[in-house]
Amino acid sequence: DGGITQSPKYLFRKEGQNVTLSCEQNLNHDAMYWYRQDPGQGLRLIYYSQIVNDFQKGDIAEGYSVSREKKESFPLTVTSAQKNPTAFYLCASSIEDNTEAFFGQGTRLTVV
Amino acid sequence: LAKTTQPISMDSYEGQEVNITCSHNNIATNDYITWYQQFPSQGPRFIIQGYKTKVTNEVASLFIPADRKSSTLSLPRVSLSDTAVYYCLVGDTGRRALTFGSGTRLQVQP
Repeated sequence: DGGITQSPKYLFRKEGQNVTLSCEQNLNHDAMYWYRQDPGQGLRLIYYSQIVNDFQKGDIAEGYSVSREKKESFPLTVTSAQKNPTAFYLCASSIEDNTEAFFGQGTRLTVV
Repeated sequence: LAKTTQPISMDSYEGQEVNITCSHNNIATNDYITWYQQFPSQGPRFIIQGYKTKVTNEVASLFIPADRKSSTLSLPRVSLSDTAVYYCLVGDTGRRALTFGSGTRLQVQP
């Protein structure tokens, strides 16, 4: 089945540790996105990538890093510099010339 | 990027038609209007997209007036399972990033 997969669904980390969230898609989409969602809030864009080996900062990129070495993969690293990392993280992909995006099921990160 | 304004929340009853309006006063000529639905602890799901007049699919209808400064998502005969947050997005199909607002929280009662 074609789709976008995020793993793990739940993740716990100690404060001060870096953690990497996985996002894989087999839809052959060029564009991929990472969003953060806090309780009761909308989605805020962290990073996006339109093509392999290229990515752009979104509205809240500080404390996060990404890579796009392969078309199908767009991992997000939450670094220790992120002040409030506990949140629900969503990855999405889309065909470059179409605004319809397909989302993964999300990763709920809890930092203690 | 065109900014959108939606009601924070709406209430309805099963079987009723629900209309959610989104304002986008500074929409650009090349911008499309897209709506997503999100259930708790899940990623948003595409509902419908349009440019002008009316678009209908098996899930919803989208009404866009001639000036395109607003749009209305219409959900016919809602059920309890339509309880969700609905997001209106405006942008060029070639835009580089999808920007979500706070959305409209729809609560459907029995």
